[in-house]
Amino acid sequence: NAGVTQTPKFQVLKTGQSMTLQCAQDMNHEYMSWYRQDPGMGLRLIHYSVGAGITDQGEVPNGYNVSRSTTEDFPLRLLSAAPSQTSVYFCASSLRVDTEAFFGQGTRLTVV
Amino acid sequence: AQSVTQLGSHVSVSEGALVLLRCNYSSSVPPYLFWYVQYPNQGLQLLLKYTSAATLVKGINGFEAEFKKSETSFHLTKPSAHMSDAAEYFCACSNFGNEKLTFGTGTRLTIIP
Repeated sequence: NAGVTQTPKFQVLKTGQSMTLQCAQDMNHEYMSWYRQDPGMGLRLIHYSVGAGITDQGEVPNGYNVSRSTTEDFPLRLLSAAPSQTSVYFCASSLRVDTEAFFGQGTRLTVV
Repeated sequence: AQSVTQLGSHVSVSEGALVLLRCNYSSSVPPYLFWYVQYPNQGLQLLLKYTSAATLVKGINGFEAEFKKSETSFHLTKPSAHMSDAAEYFCACSNFGNEKLTFGTGTRLTIIP
C-alpha cells in the first residue's frame, strides 16, 4: 500500500519556468489537498478538491493551478516560478476533511 | 472560516517531564480538531482528533488532548516526555460546511536529556 506518493522529492527551477508537482493516492480518497510549508508559517492551504472534477482555492492559490481528472491524481502546476515559491510542498488525501489526512513525503522546491 | 493559534513556536522539556503544547481555535460552528506530528524530513502523521464525541481524546504514543469549548482550546499533553517525542507538532481545525483544513504555525518540541 503506497499511500500518498509525491514526485519529485527535490527540484530546482529558474525564475519564470513552469513545472508540475505530481501527487497520487491509492486509498480511493475523495478529498485531496496541497499545502506549502515555510519556516514559522506552518502549513498553508494552496488548493483542495472534494472529488474528481471539483477543485477550489485555499489560502494562498496565486501562481498555482490544479486539476482533478481522476480520484487518484491531483497535480499542482506552477505557471511561472518565482523565488517566493521556494518552499516545501505537501500533498494530502483523506476520505473527507474531518477524517485523518495522509501526507506525502514532500517536495522541496527551490526557485533561483 | 476558522483559525488556529499555537502559543510557543519552541518548547523544551526534560526527559520524563510533562509535555504541554497549546492550541486555541476560532470557529463559528462546532469544530473538528486535530494534532499532527512531523519528524525531520517527513510528512505529517495524525496523533489524535476530536470530532464531537468525548472531550478527552487519547492518541498514539501516550499523547492526549482535551477539548474545552469555554476556553476554545485543544491543548496536547503527555505525562512523561521521551527523547523520541522530539518533533514539530501542528494543531489543525476544520468544521462542518467548511471544506478547508487550517493548520497552526507549529511548535517545535525539544527534549533535554
